[in-house]
Amino acid sequence: QQQVKQSPQSLIVQKGGISIINCAYENTAFDYFPWYQQFPGKGPALLIAIRPDVSEKKEGRFTISFNKSAKQFSLHIMDSQPGDSATYFCAASMKNSGYALNFGKGTSLLVTP
Amino acid sequence: GAVVSQHPSRVICKSGTSVKIECRSLDFQATTMFWYRQFPKKSLMLMATSNEGSKATYEQGVEKDKFLINHASLTLSTLTVTSAHPEDSSFYICSLAGKRGSYEQYFGPGTRLTVT
Repeated sequence: QQQVKQSPQSLIVQKGGISIINCAYENTAFDYFPWYQQFPGKGPALLIAIRPDVSEKKEGRFTISFNKSAKQFSLHIMDSQPGDSATYFCAASMKNSGYALNFGKGTSLLVTP
Repeated sequence: GAVVSQHPSRVICKSGTSVKIECRSLDFQATTMFWYRQFPKKSLMLMATSNEGSKATYEQGVEKDKFLINHASLTLSTLTVTSAHPEDSSFYICSLAGKRGSYEQYFGPGTRLTVT
């Protein structure tokens, strides 16, 4: 059972554009929401994460928006670059389950020159 | 972030043999390590949670006798795939959490297992 639903499955954005990936969850016990970036044949790399006590977090070109009431969160990549082309995973975890990550299905992002 | 290594990066083995994958934390002591598997173009699925000095906790549907996990020290966890079969071919990735109670997880580079 997929506890975190992610969309879209794939995304094509022009260089300089904004990439937006959305995730939704049901379990209100989740209290940590990270985003990971994965290149082919590599392990995921932590990009940015948010706790539910804030509605937005920005690090460089990456921003997480969090809507607790809607149980949704999203990743915005500003000024998208070809080097951002990768698969992005949202995830959620909670202390009660030992912080194990529940991943979304992933979004394959292609940034065209 | 933490630096995590995995060895080997790729392994090919014959059906019926066993394969051991190592996961090491290079720059701090990891109280908890996680093992995931990832099929091509799919998401990561948690296999088990490994706490140093205690038995691993396996997710539903993961055979503990087939996927042996040992977390003998704060810097090393191993996953042994016993009697491997072609359907075990996958990308196996470990991650670790740092301080006890830390939410952040850092992933290793993964191990590509191919069973022929």
